[in-house]
Amino acid sequence: KAGVTQTPRYLIKTRGQQVTLSCSPISGHRSVSWYQQTPGQGLQFLFEYFSETQRNKGNFPGRFSGRQFSNSRSEMNVSTLELGDSALYLCASSLDGVIPYEQYFGPGTRLTVT
Amino acid sequence: SQKIEQNSEALNIQEGKTATLTCNYTNYSPAYLQWYRQDPGRGPVFLLLIRENEKEKRKERLKVTFDTTLKQSLFHITASQPADSATYLCALDEANTGFQKLVFGTGTRLLVSP
Repeated sequence: KAGVTQTPRYLIKTRGQQVTLSCSPISGHRSVSWYQQTPGQGLQFLFEYFSETQRNKGNFPGRFSGRQFSNSRSEMNVSTLELGDSALYLCASSLDGVIPYEQYFGPGTRLTVT
Repeated sequence: SQKIEQNSEALNIQEGKTATLTCNYTNYSPAYLQWYRQDPGRGPVFLLLIRENEKEKRKERLKVTFDTTLKQSLFHITASQPADSATYLCALDEANTGFQKLVFGTGTRLLVSP
């Protein structure tokens, strides 16, 4: 089975722009979670989607949003980019979202905001 | 305030020795705790999950303990190998709401020398 894939792998944007990141979960997985990883704050939970519904949300401003499609693929969007949004964005999928569940992470998208 | 603490300094050990990593948490009451491994430039990889009613869990050369009284989990790698060199992250479910919302520690970098 193919693993979790994320596109693009690297992205450079300018302050004020917006960006959309994509995540394709492992085939059959219905839960997709998004995380932000920075050297200072570590891995922080952004949100989780299950069957196209957001089930959980972390403590991030409304500029961060996401969605999930009927095929379980997910996108996250960051509007009005700030320098502090530079980070590795990771998505993780799991089979059915029944806790506790292990998560399978993708390689991440490295976003640099200049 | 709530926090998860892992040794921020790298742990250096000789090949063949046992590595012990610590995860302490404050103001959480997790029903379970997970350990992940992360290599540079890659997403975390799930290793082990231990529930609050389990004192110890093993998988090949890995062993995890969970002491809810001490609010601590220990992660052991026996007969360590240079290939075990990586950052190890502990994570717990912040919410206990039925929907998993993982909070990660900042990780401990393990370096195994030949």
